[in-house]
Amino acid sequence: GENVEQHPSTLSVQEGDSAVIKCTYSDSASNYFPWYKQELGKRPQLIIDIRSNVGEKKDQRIAVTLNKTAKHFSLHITETQPEDSAVYFCAPRSARQLPFGSGTQLTVLP
Amino acid sequence: DGGITQSPKYLFRKEGQNVTLSCEQNLNHDAMYWYRQDPGQGLRLIYYSQIVNDFQKGDIAEGYSVSREKKESFPLTVTSAQKNPTAFYLCASVRTGGSDEQFFGPGTRLTVL
Repeated sequence: GENVEQHPSTLSVQEGDSAVIKCTYSDSASNYFPWYKQELGKRPQLIIDIRSNVGEKKDQRIAVTLNKTAKHFSLHITETQPEDSAVYFCAPRSARQLPFGSGTQLTVLP
Repeated sequence: DGGITQSPKYLFRKEGQNVTLSCEQNLNHDAMYWYRQDPGQGLRLIYYSQIVNDFQKGDIAEGYSVSREKKESFPLTVTSAQKNPTAFYLCASVRTGGSDEQFFGPGTRLTVL
């Protein structure tokens, strides 16, 4: 099946700094690359996604970059705020399944 | 909240008992998924269904069963064969041919006593 690796598993940054999380996948047929945010005890929610015909997408402080040749995509959060503290998951679409990365616990320190 | 609901929110079960978790969606989505999440861990796929009356095993299907008799409903049964059922269970749906975004239910926290 699809192999998805997410790094780092934990990330602490000072408020106002940037955070970058990387997701590596194995299926070259993947064509949809989302990032989900999960707050403690809550359901995951989509925060940004990108398709394979686009290299970068930005939405205010959040951006996703895709490198299909290297089979990885990254989440970038700029000017981090305390409310950005959560677990972030990548979930590259592969065939009929939607495998999730193992998650990154982001902590924004005041 | 995305039109997908799960019940109950909390569920307690004695060892050796089967229990069924409900998942209902009114989004007219074709595909539905069940995930298990353990503390501090990612989401692991249990079962998924692309269409009514059809479903496939995910990575950790042993000890679980599902049915998909209606498009709106995808119940998950945790059987007594599941060795460590205590976990947070999440149901999700996707509109086939649509945006590919997964919409999640609020989850059911199952505790085996």
